[in-house]
Amino acid sequence: GDSVTQMEGPVTLSEEAFLTINCTYTATGYPSLFWYVQYPGEGLQLLLKATKADDKGSNKGFEATYRKETTSFHLEKGSVQVSDSAVYFCALSSLRRVTFGIGTKLQVIP
Amino acid sequence: DVKVTQSSRYLVKRTGEKVFLECVQDMDHENMFWYRQDPGLGLRLIYFSYDVKMKEKGDIPEGYSVSREKKERFSLILESASTNQTSMYLCASRKTGSETQYFGPGTRLLVL
Repeated sequence: GDSVTQMEGPVTLSEEAFLTINCTYTATGYPSLFWYVQYPGEGLQLLLKATKADDKGSNKGFEATYRKETTSFHLEKGSVQVSDSAVYFCALSSLRRVTFGIGTKLQVIP
Repeated sequence: DVKVTQSSRYLVKRTGEKVFLECVQDMDHENMFWYRQDPGLGLRLIYFSYDVKMKEKGDIPEGYSVSREKKERFSLILESASTNQTSMYLCASRKTGSETQYFGPGTRLLVL
């Protein structure tokens, strides 16, 4: 079946540091890929998505590129802020079902 | 903006009680989902519904049932709560043809 692999963390960074959260997947067919973010005390919200190979999703300074050859969708941000502290979920959508990774907790310290 | 609301943010129940978790969305979405979120396990799909009165089992349906009598409302029922059902429960909705899910704020359930 489909699966998404990401590290659980926590990832702790200083403000303005560069962020990478790795995400790899296995899926049949050609899934769409997503990053969702969960701020403390809230539900998940869509951060960015990509629907086909080589697409780049971007939002709020975050980027991720759909790499079919490496089955990856790594999340990056050039300069993190304290307000980016949250849990980040990588997900894929295939055949009406969405499969989520376990979530990576990011802590940004001033 | 899509709004998904859940009836309670926090809930404490006793083992063996029947528990109802309610979810309402206001954007006429056809599809609704119930997940549970646990540390180290991420989100796991319990049940989903793609239309009124329709339901399908997700990955972990045991111990749960659902009800979808109206398009905007999707209820999760724990027939006899057990301590291993202590978790965060998240409801989501999605419009047919779109792949984006919209989530409610979650209900943190503690079963004693």
